[in-house]
Amino acid sequence: DAKTTQPNSMESNEEEPVHLPCNHSTISGTDYIHWYLQLPSQGPEYVIHGLTSNVNNRMASLAIAEDRKSSTLILHRATLRDAAVYYCIPEAPGTYKYIFGTGTRLKVLA
Amino acid sequence: NAGVTQTPKFRVLKTGQSMTLLCAQDMNHEYMYWYRQDPGMGLRLIHYSVGEGTTAKGEVPDGYNVSRLKKQNFLLGLESAAPSQTSVYFCASRSGGVSEQYFGPGTRLTVT
Repeated sequence: DAKTTQPNSMESNEEEPVHLPCNHSTISGTDYIHWYLQLPSQGPEYVIHGLTSNVNNRMASLAIAEDRKSSTLILHRATLRDAAVYYCIPEAPGTYKYIFGTGTRLKVLA
Repeated sequence: NAGVTQTPKFRVLKTGQSMTLLCAQDMNHEYMYWYRQDPGMGLRLIHYSVGEGTTAKGEVPDGYNVSRLKKQNFLLGLESAAPSQTSVYFCASRSGGVSEQYFGPGTRLTVT
């Protein structure tokens, strides 16, 4: 299983962009990269996932490095509701399972 | 759709007691998962199932058993609860492939 390294915590001002980094240098060529967020006292929620190219959805963008050893989740305009723990999770196809790390706790300042 | 539901929401057990946590999903998903989350930690996979009648061990399976007799239900059992099993338990399901996992609201279990 690929290991991930994320900052323990980050801060952002409201309405500013946020770039959440994840290092996954042991990822294999076919591993997908998933991002989930977890609000206090709730289960994780899906944010976005990708394989090689950058991905966009209504919630966020995912920028994957060309060598795939790292990725960045981009929240374009942080809101107070974005304050959560964000997890970066590699998944090897066919394993059917996630291995969570400790994630990054994002604080959004009003 | 109710999505993923978990029963009960809270439970307090004494050491040595047994209990079963129920996870139900109404999305016809093939895969189901049980995780535990200790304070300040990420989720750790206990057991999972890739289809009705199948189960497999995750990262931390000791002290737990599971069953998937019906596609929509995934049961997690503690035969003899220990204080180290005090945690929040999350269930999740997904349809297959590299699809997203849908998580339940969690069960907070305290073992005294």
